[in-house]
Amino acid sequence: KNEVEQSPQNLTAQEGEFITINCSYSVGISALHWLQQHPGGGIVSLFMLSSGKKKHGRLIATINIQEKHSSLHITASHPRDSAVYICAVRSVDSNYQLIWGAGTKLIIKP
Amino acid sequence: DTAVSQTPKYLVTQMGNDKSIKCEQNLGHDTMYWYKQDSKKFLKIMFSYNNKELIINETVPNRFSPKSPDKAHLNLHINSLELGDSAVYFCASSQRAGRDSPLHFGNGTRLTVT
Repeated sequence: KNEVEQSPQNLTAQEGEFITINCSYSVGISALHWLQQHPGGGIVSLFMLSSGKKKHGRLIATINIQEKHSSLHITASHPRDSAVYICAVRSVDSNYQLIWGAGTKLIIKP
Repeated sequence: DTAVSQTPKYLVTQMGNDKSIKCEQNLGHDTMYWYKQDSKKFLKIMFSYNNKELIINETVPNRFSPKSPDKAHLNLHINSLELGDSAVYFCASSQRAGRDSPLHFGNGTRLTVT
């Protein structure tokens, strides 16, 4: 079992839908990262959070430290949101190295 | 202005060859990384340098040798390439090693070994 699990693995939705991607982890962490990998391959950091909630445009990230769970939400989804979304945690149990989830492939259809 | 740039973007080569991938960051960051993304899309840390000093060296074959001439550059040299080395390699940087620094990634180098 991976220390960082994302769900779903794949998600296809219609433009305008509200999207939720989940990340669960089993280690102690100092921070959790959400990143986006575009079809062209580039990786962009979206959020880094250690508690509560952060918002940037149509993207919202939340984390519940007690439940070891984070969600990434996309409101009013658009085809340009199509990408792989990756969760990574900075583990206090592994000398603060990043442990990566496998990613969630999101496709937004027009 | 590209913050983290790596070259080449694509690299196709034959088994047994030696090749290098270059990475430069203009963010003034102290820490640079090399990641390998395998076919299952997992990102695996290979090396991390902080101010030109090696701080993470995961279990990778010693055919892989990182070189950091200064803190803005971290190059990856691979000797005697094998089929299993085919992957996408990402360079990244962060302001400082460890806890709370966001990562900035290069666009990746797709290496294909034939």
